[in-house]
Formats: sequence, C-alpha cells, structure tokens
Amino acid sequence: GAVVSQHPSWVICKSGTSVKIECRSLDFQATTMFWYRQFPKQSLMLMATSNEGSKATYEQGVEKDKFLINHASLTLSTLTVTSAHPEDSSFYICSASPRGPSQPQHFGDGTRLSIL
Amino acid sequence: QKEVEQDPGPLSVPEGAIVSLNCTYSNSAFQYFMWYRQYSRKGPELLMYTYSSGNKEDGRFTAQVDKSSKYISLFIRDSQPSDSATYLCAMIYSINKFYFGSGTKLNVKP
Repeated sequence: GAVVSQHPSWVICKSGTSVKIECRSLDFQATTMFWYRQFPKQSLMLMATSNEGSKATYEQGVEKDKFLINHASLTLSTLTVTSAHPEDSSFYICSASPRGPSQPQHFGDGTRLSIL
Repeated sequence: QKEVEQDPGPLSVPEGAIVSLNCTYSNSAFQYFMWYRQYSRKGPELLMYTYSSGNKEDGRFTAQVDKSSKYISLFIRDSQPSDSATYLCAMIYSINKFYFGSGTKLNVKP
C-alpha cells in the first residue's frame, strides 16, 4: 500500500518552455503533498508543501512564480516549472502523506529534468 | 546546530555484516521517527516508522529509538549488496513539519 506515482520520470526540453510534473497517490487520499529538489549526491531540499484545496506554502528562496504548484484533489498534485532554464535542471521528487496526524511521507520515484 | 545530524559516510561493509546507521537530534518534541532507503536516481522508500522509545523489527531491519539520548538507529542484519543505498532518517515535529537527516551512503561489498 501507500503508492505514489510520479510522471514523467525523465524529461528533456528546450530553454524557455514550461514543464508539468504530476504526482498521484494511487491507493490513499493525501491531504498533504510535498515537492523536493535534489542535486547529485546531496540530500532532499524541500521546495513547498501543499494541502488539498489551498495555496502551497513555499520554502524561503523558492520562486513561487517559477514553480507553480496545484493540489486540486486528494490524489493529485502538479508542479509546473515555468520558462525553464538550464539552472532548473535537477531531480524533482514529490511525496504524499495520508490523512491523519503524524503520518509518514511516501515518495514518488522522481523526475529527472534536463533543460537544454 | 542542525535539528537532525546524520553521518554522511560512506560506510563500507562486507556482505553478511550487521550494519548500524544512526541519527541524533536536538528537539525533544520529536515524536515519530522514520527511516528511508534511497537508491540512486529513485525516490526514498519508507522502511520503518516508529513512535516513542523502544525497538521495532521488520525482517532484517530493526529500528531503535532512545528518546532520553535523542538518538535513533537502524540495524540491518545479514547485509546484502542490494542493501547498498543511501539511508535517510526523518522525524516529525508537528503537523506536516518533517526534518530529514542528510543521509548515510552504505556500500555492501559482495
């Protein structure tokens, strides 16, 4: 149980385009979803926390207009990287927590984003 | 001082060894503790989820929490090359407030 699906797993696109990444909880309802960025050989860096039906809370230093997060349902959150540039290339990982207090996060398999 | 401290390693052990991975923390308000395993280019996978002090066992894995010392451990028995990965500890402070260790890279040599 507690499966999180993230799509696509790998995307390559030209500089200036926008890229959307989907995160779905397949077998549970996720009131909270998280988006992380991870550079090679480094730990997870939290970008934002989103609750279903409300605006995402972004971490300090993360551009809200660059990284648009939508959490429209209890099973789906999306991250859109707008006007992507080479410096946005990274490994992006989502996670979701089931309903209830102090539930652990369950992670997707990540999206490798390469901007040319 | 970081909220959660974890030795980055790398930790290299021979196949079959018992592995001990550890994290220390500073905030006594942490109540729930987790261990994740992350393979290269994959998302972290939840291995253990525990509450309060004591031990929890699942197959070859044992999670140990010592709240008085603010210290948690993950033991892996009969380690296998497939256990080679980065192990992350994590703790919950309050609703939706998670703290992760930086991860320990483990290499199990055949």
